[in-house]
Amino acid sequence: GQNIDQPTEMTATEGAIVQINCTYQTSGFNGLFWYQQHAGEAPTFLSYNVLDGLEEKGRFSSFLSRSKGYSYLLLKELQMKDSASYLCAAMDSNYQLIWGAGTKLIIKP
Amino acid sequence: GAVVSQHPSRVICKSGTSVKIECRSLDFQATTMFWYRQFPKQSLMLMATSNEGSKATYEQGVEKDKFLINHASLTLSTLTVTSAHPEDSSFYICSARDLGDGTGDLYEQYFGPGTRLTVT
Repeated sequence: GQNIDQPTEMTATEGAIVQINCTYQTSGFNGLFWYQQHAGEAPTFLSYNVLDGLEEKGRFSSFLSRSKGYSYLLLKELQMKDSASYLCAAMDSNYQLIWGAGTKLIIKP
Repeated sequence: GAVVSQHPSRVICKSGTSVKIECRSLDFQATTMFWYRQFPKQSLMLMATSNEGSKATYEQGVEKDKFLINHASLTLSTLTVTSAHPEDSSFYICSARDLGDGTGDLYEQYFGPGTRLTVT
C-alpha cells in the first residue's frame, strides 16, 4: 500500500534550526512536496523535490533520497510565524498526491 | 500568479439542505481540480479528482451522489454537498493543477483558501 510517515508534533526554539523528516512508500514516484498549513487555512506550497539532493530556498531547505524513500524539511532561523503544520506529500505514478498526516511545529520564544 | 479562490469561505446550514461550494482558478486554466476534506487535526483527505468536461473520479468511500462535482469550465469547479448532515461538517479545500504555462514546479497544486462547513 501507499504510506507517508512523519512525526505528529515537534517543538523548537525561536532562532534555532529544526528538521522535519518524512518517509514514503508509493506506487511509482513523481516527486515529493512540502506544504505549510496554518490553523484554519489551506496549505501553501513550500518545495518540490524529484531528484536526490538538497534544494535551498531562503530559510527553508528540502532534501530527498529516492533510494531510501526519505525526505526532510529543514527550517533555519526559526520565527514565531513558522508555527504551523508541515505536510509531506509524495506524488505516485498516477500523479496523485499521497498526503502525510502533517507535523505540528510549535515554536517557543 | 496561480491564485485559486473558493466561495463561500464559511457556511452554516441546516441538516437536510444542500450547499454548493465554488472553486475558481483566477489567472490560469486548470484542466484538473481536486477536492479535499480535512477534519480537525487530521491530514487532507482527497475526495475526488475533477477533470474539465468529464465526470469526476471519486475516492473509495466517497459517495458520488452525495458530493456532486461539476467542472464545467477550465476555471470553475463546484462541489455540492446534498442533504447535508452534521457529520459532513468539515473544512473543504479545493486545489487546481496548472500544466499549461510552464512556470513554477510541474504538477504543483495550488490551493484555494478553503470552506468551513458547519451543519446544524
